Amino acid sequence: EIVLTQSPATLSLSPGERATLSCRASQSVGSYLAWYQQKPGQAPRLLIYDASNRVTGIPARFSGSGSGTDFTLTISSLEPEDFAVYYCQQRSDWPPFTFGPGTKVDFK
Amino acid sequence: QLQLQESGPGLVKPSETLSLTCTVSGGSISSTDYYWGWIRQPPGKGLEWIGSIHYTGNSYYNPSLKSRVTMSVDTSKNQFSLKLSSVTAADTAVYSCAREGLCTTSCYNGYFDPWGQGTLVTVSS
Repeated sequence: EIVLTQSPATLSLSPGERATLSCRASQSVGSYLAWYQQKPGQAPRLLIYDASNRVTGIPARFSGSGSGTDFTLTISSLEPEDFAVYYCQQRSDWPPFTFGPGTKVDFK
Repeated sequence: QLQLQESGPGLVKPSETLSLTCTVSGGSISSTDYYWGWIRQPPGKGLEWIGSIHYTGNSYYNPSLKSRVTMSVDTSKNQFSLKLSSVTAADTAVYSCAREGLCTTSCYNGYFDPWGQGTLVTVSS
């Protein structure tokens, strides 16, 4: 089973700042990695698939990069609605599909 | 707009079977391009994929839960269901259903969107 680790666990930033979130896989997942956003009381929402492709309707300030074992989600300039928990997930080696533990982006 | 809604008991006794249903609205469950999945999140812990099922009945499960999981589809009601047997306190979690698969110019399995809101199931006597 591929284990995903995310860092940092919590990222404290202010609106307008740049957020850089990391996801590392225990073995190569190629480009088969997604990022999700979850706000309190809401269902997760798919943001990025196959490492760098934005889902239709996701703002351009969200971007994904990486391949193999190291991946990054970047939010170029945080908007108030971006403060949430972000999860990575791999579909390279399944079953099972696995998720990372999440990074919480909160207000500084 | 596709929407999913979980339903079922919020409290299950240890050793019994947890049963949940996901109702899909705004689209048909009988699409060849998608599977339909269940994911859970224990309190304070991460997300765990439980399994996915196609409208044809083809399914695959998380190996760690496979011996206890059964999923089914009812296309006439646009629903799919989860049964998890022999539950313990470790099965206490928010259970969410989601569509598995993303289709743009191609279709990509293994990604989940959209999700239902989730329902908390507590295992306790």
